[in-house]
Amino acid sequence: EAEVAQSPRYKITEKSQAVAFWCDPISGHATLYWYRQILGQGPELLVQFQDESVVDDSQLPKDRFSAERLKGVDSTLKIQPAELGDSAMYLCASSSTSGRYNEQFFGPGTRLTVL
Amino acid sequence: QKEVEQNSGPLSVPEGAIASLNCTYSDRVSQSFFWYRQYSGKSPELIMSIYSNGDKEDGRFTAQLNKASQYVSLLIRDSQPSDSATYLCAPFNAGNMLTFGGGTRLMVKP
Repeated sequence: EAEVAQSPRYKITEKSQAVAFWCDPISGHATLYWYRQILGQGPELLVQFQDESVVDDSQLPKDRFSAERLKGVDSTLKIQPAELGDSAMYLCASSSTSGRYNEQFFGPGTRLTVL
Repeated sequence: QKEVEQNSGPLSVPEGAIASLNCTYSDRVSQSFFWYRQYSGKSPELIMSIYSNGDKEDGRFTAQLNKASQYVSLLIRDSQPSDSATYLCAPFNAGNMLTFGGGTRLMVKP
């Protein structure tokens, strides 16, 4: 069964360090999303890609976060420098379409702890 | 007012009972609605989507949508302990984004 892959599954880092997360969407899915989920809350969209182009990054803290999807397939989300408040689950999702019928499928997530 | 409101719970039901999970949303233009199940420490799993007013059934799950009242619900029949999880409601809003509620924690007691 096709799945979204993410790595690493867990990451512990100290504040001010750089961290990077990787995501490989379901094969053929043109739309890729990065979400952040704080414990006890629903996921919040950070950035949306359509192929290699950014569609929406309005909620991405651009002073420290960056995201890329250079070849329109896998994607990397980077945080530099990490802050204590960045501790959360980082989720990647993909869908085959970006319209109202888009069903988004999530990867297993990366649990980030910033010390 | 939050865009998507869900009772955080926990909602406790006995095994075999019907669990009713409710969600209200503020964006009148929302056209599509999704329910995700999330086990503790895991990622959200899509379980239902609904696009039109009325009911949509899939196995033990029934999604109900009333756009006039801006209300969507999820019924789980014959609840099992394995259904114990947090259920996230996610309308697809006018900005072409999924907006998630905070989720309702369901506990099914044997």
